[in-house]
Amino acid sequence: GNSVTQMEGPVTLSEEAFLTINCTYTATGYPSLFWYVQYPGEGLQLLLKATKADDKGSNKGFEATYRKETTSFHLEKGSVQVSDSAVYFCARRLYNQGGKLIFGQGTELSVKP
Amino acid sequence: EPEVTQTPSHQVTQMGQEVILRCVPISNHLYFYWYRQILGQKVEFLVSFYNNEISEKSEIFDDQFSVERPDGSNFTLKIRSTKLEDSAMYFCASSALTGGESPLHFGNGTRLTVT
Repeated sequence: GNSVTQMEGPVTLSEEAFLTINCTYTATGYPSLFWYVQYPGEGLQLLLKATKADDKGSNKGFEATYRKETTSFHLEKGSVQVSDSAVYFCARRLYNQGGKLIFGQGTELSVKP
Repeated sequence: EPEVTQTPSHQVTQMGQEVILRCVPISNHLYFYWYRQILGQKVEFLVSFYNNEISEKSEIFDDQFSVERPDGSNFTLKIRSTKLEDSAMYFCASSALTGGESPLHFGNGTRLTVT
């Protein structure tokens, strides 16, 4: 099937800790991959994207590399801040499916000072 | 930066009533979407819309739901007879293309509460 699986949350870290949120996908084609972030009480904001294998998306200190061999797109940040506390959604998009996004279940991140 | 706007931000309605959720997509975008997120759960695809017709719809998007682009700028989601389980956050999104180079841009959502 076509799906996206993320590690379960909540993830609780201290400020300046290293963050990894795992994401794997299944798809019959060659999807584009995305991370979206949802801050408390807000909508979904695009964090970063990668459109082909070995691409690395990056933004605001976050990075994710499109790994075709492991069908993964893990989100990483070297040093998290309290302001990074949010829910993070991994998503994939297939051109031949009308461009709809399929989301993972979301991973809540809580960063403590 | 252009953005997707949704109104109202919060809608309360009684079971069985009709509701219309409104969205103004980014002006040069061609593809439009509705998603919903039940509290604390994943973001679920409802419907995609292109060239004035539905491209794809999910199992959730049954006969009680409809979408319309009435005037070239607004994109609406109508629920004909709301049920308690329709309570959720509804997100509108738009994109210029269907490829990864043109990601979906989301509005801030409408929280629908059915009592």
